[in-house]
Amino acid sequence: GDSVTQTEGPVTLSEGTSLTVNCSYETKQYPTLFWYVQYPGEGPQLLFKVPKANEKGSNRGFEATYNKEATSFHLQKASVQESDSAVYYCALSLTNAYKVIFGKGTHLHVLP
Amino acid sequence: EAAVTQSPRSKVAVTGGKVTLSCHQTNNHDYMYWYRQDTGHGLRLIHYSYVADSTEKGDIPDGYKASRPSQENFSLILELASLSQTAVYFCASRDDYEQYFGPGTRLTVL
Repeated sequence: GDSVTQTEGPVTLSEGTSLTVNCSYETKQYPTLFWYVQYPGEGPQLLFKVPKANEKGSNRGFEATYNKEATSFHLQKASVQESDSAVYYCALSLTNAYKVIFGKGTHLHVLP
Repeated sequence: EAAVTQSPRSKVAVTGGKVTLSCHQTNNHDYMYWYRQDTGHGLRLIHYSYVADSTEKGDIPDGYKASRPSQENFSLILELASLSQTAVYFCASRDDYEQYFGPGTRLTVL
């Protein structure tokens, strides 16, 4: 079936260090891939999406490349800030499907 | 202005009691969803709807009912609340691809 697997957390980093959150997916269809972010006390919100293979999405210094061959969509940021502390969800959706499939989320703590 | 709102924002319920969580959207989206969030499980889909007066089961529907009386409103109903239903509940609406979440309702069943 269709699924998303991402880095298990929590992940704790110091400000200014680099971040990679791994995400891999399984589907026989052609997905649109997303990263969502959830700040404390809020609902998840879209960080960015990438509908096409081998393209990159980015927002707020975060980026990820849709790697169709490796079925991966890893989230990266060169230098994290304390304000990046949040839960990050990798997700996929399929054309004409009702469902968005979410990973289990990765809790990021950034220390000042 | 917030496009997806939920009420109440938090609730304490007694075991065996009835709980209704409400969601309202102003996005004019056809699709609406209810999720629960638990530590270690992420977001799990309970029910969804793609048109008023119709609801569909998601991945974990047992113990929950849903109601979609209009395009804007979508409720989640726990007829007999249980301890295991303590969680944070999120409502969302969806356009072609992106989901727009509400702020969540924290439900504690005692």
